[in-house]
Amino acid sequence: EDQVTQSPEALRLQEGESSSLNCSYTVSGLRGLFWYRQDPGKGPEFLFTLYSAGEEKEKERLKATLTKKESFLHITAPKPEDSATYLCAVRGGEGGSQGNLIFGKGTKLSVKP
Amino acid sequence: DSGVTQTPKHLITATGQRVTLRCSPRSGDLSVYWYQQSLDQGLQFLIQYYNGEERAKGNILERFSAQQFPDLHSELNLSSLELGDSALYFCASSVGGGASREQYFGPGTRLTVT
Repeated sequence: EDQVTQSPEALRLQEGESSSLNCSYTVSGLRGLFWYRQDPGKGPEFLFTLYSAGEEKEKERLKATLTKKESFLHITAPKPEDSATYLCAVRGGEGGSQGNLIFGKGTKLSVKP
Repeated sequence: DSGVTQTPKHLITATGQRVTLRCSPRSGDLSVYWYQQSLDQGLQFLIQYYNGEERAKGNILERFSAQQFPDLHSELNLSSLELGDSALYFCASSVGGGASREQYFGPGTRLTVT
């Protein structure tokens, strides 16, 4: 069964304190790993797509990396406006989740000034 | 702003009732997806339509149904509502119908069943 586990569930950082969020996955035939940011009561906002192990993508203070079993979202020198829930999702092969997104439960990030 | 619109933003109704949620995808996107998000379950995929045809089904209850119209907007119908159906319902859209395409989410409809 396709599965996504994110850790930690919650993370509190001081402004400027860099850290990483983890997304572990089991999926038959990975066809994409996606990171989203979600603010309270809002829809998820697309951040990155990663397709193969070793791939990295960056956007401002965020950098996503991918291995064969997990992905990391690195946050460098975070600011209070980076506070949000970060969601990881995978798309597996057609035989498993029918090729649709399986989401983790997210990591709630709080950045204090 | 993702370009995906959803109406209404909030909906309060009673158990046993029926409601319809509406979604308009981003311009040019042919696929529409529906998700349910509750505090304990996280984001759960319900159903996908691609260019008017049902493409994939997830954890959608038999009391729920959806359709996509020729202008590509979609509606999610929820009937015989129960307290446990209270949740955020999101619509997302993507360019194609297959894998490896990012989905863009709308702002959601918050459904409260009393």
